[in-house]
Order: sequence, then C-alpha cells, then structure tokens
Amino acid sequence: EVQLVQSGAEVKKPGESLKISCKGSGYSFTSYWIGWVRQMPGKGLEWMGIIYPGDSDTRYSPSFQGQVTISADKSISTAYLQWSSLKASDTAMYYCVRPPIPGIAAAGDFDYWGQGTLVTVSS
Amino acid sequence: DIQMTQSPSTLSASVGDRVTITCRASQSISSWLAWYQQKPGKAPKLLIYKASSLESGVPSRFSGSGSGTEFTLTISSLQPDDFATYYCQQYNSYSLFTFGPGTKVDIK
Repeated sequence: EVQLVQSGAEVKKPGESLKISCKGSGYSFTSYWIGWVRQMPGKGLEWMGIIYPGDSDTRYSPSFQGQVTISADKSISTAYLQWSSLKASDTAMYYCVRPPIPGIAAAGDFDYWGQGTLVTVSS
Repeated sequence: DIQMTQSPSTLSASVGDRVTITCRASQSISSWLAWYQQKPGKAPKLLIYKASSLESGVPSRFSGSGSGTEFTLTISSLQPDDFATYYCQQYNSYSLFTFGPGTKVDIK
C-alpha cells in the first residue's frame, strides 16, 4: 500500500529554522516525483515545488523560489521541506503529494497525499 | 503563469440536486486538468484527472468535462457525503501547477 507519512505539527517563533518530512512507502521512492502544497488557514491550495528523489532534480513555483528548500534522502525514502528563517505568514498546513506516473514531472494529478503537517509561527 | 478561476465560490444545494462547478484557465491547458474534493481537516482527494477520467473508487455520480480553457465538474445527484470544497488544478505547465480558488458546496 502506497503511503506518504508526514512529520508532526510544529510551533516555532519568527526567525527560527524548520525542516519537515514526508516518508514514502509501498512503492519505489526514487522513481516518482514528490511535491509540496501549502494551505494557509481558511484558504485554498498553493503549489510550492517538486523533487525527483532519484537524482534530486528540483523545480519550484516562482512564488516559493528562494523562500523554501525542497530536498530528499533516498536512503531513507524521505522528502523534506525546509525554511531557514520562518515568518508568521508561513503559518499553514503543508501537504506532500505524489503523482500517479513514475518519472514524469508533468504528471500533476496527485493521487496520493500525505496527512499534512501544521506549521504555526508565532511570537 | 496560468491562472485558474472557479465559479461559483459557494454553492448551496440539497441532497439529490444536480450540481455543476465551472473552472476556467487563463490559457489553453488541453485536457490537463484535475478535480479534488476536500473535507474540513482532511487532505484533498483526487476525483477526476485528465479533465474527464474518473479516479478509481470515486462514485460515478461525479463526472468531468471540457478542454482548452473551460471545464466543468458535475455531481449528478448530490449525496450527504459530497458537502465539501472542490478545487480544480491545471498541470499543463511543466512542473508549474496551479489550483483554482475552490468552490464550497454547502447545505441549502
């Protein structure tokens, strides 16, 4: 069974760093792109970026380029989303997602979603 | 960037109603469009991909149509489990995907 299991909720202060994770199981982790989606409180879904764990090829939405870093450790089948200096506006639910077709970055119809990681940034 | 719009933003309907949600793209996306359902506190769920293909396990009362810039999601007979928010998403732009703003379907 394919599963994406994300790390738990985080409460941080502005200026702090953070790295959240998404562990894939039940499939060949290095063969499928993994993406990240943000949902701010009471708002819609926003595409952040995507990584291919096989070779770490990474693409970012222009809105998030330079604001976050997406990475992956294929030895432990885990993708990451990290911030070097959090802002209050980073408060949101973050989902990792996987497309249905291996190796295709353009396959944007995501049939598998993680359970979400709630990040709260407050002083 | 391709922009997505949805109408209406909120829809009040009754069980058994036929419901239609429209999604428009700012430029042609061929049939590279997906529809998701999201319930409060849950991750979105894929309903429709490639504009009109029903995801496995999704009830047949859901259907999608359209191509180019205009798309629709139809629920043929609304059920109690269908009250949720629905999002369209384009995946025509290579790795630059965009979601619509969402349509909330609530009880009339």
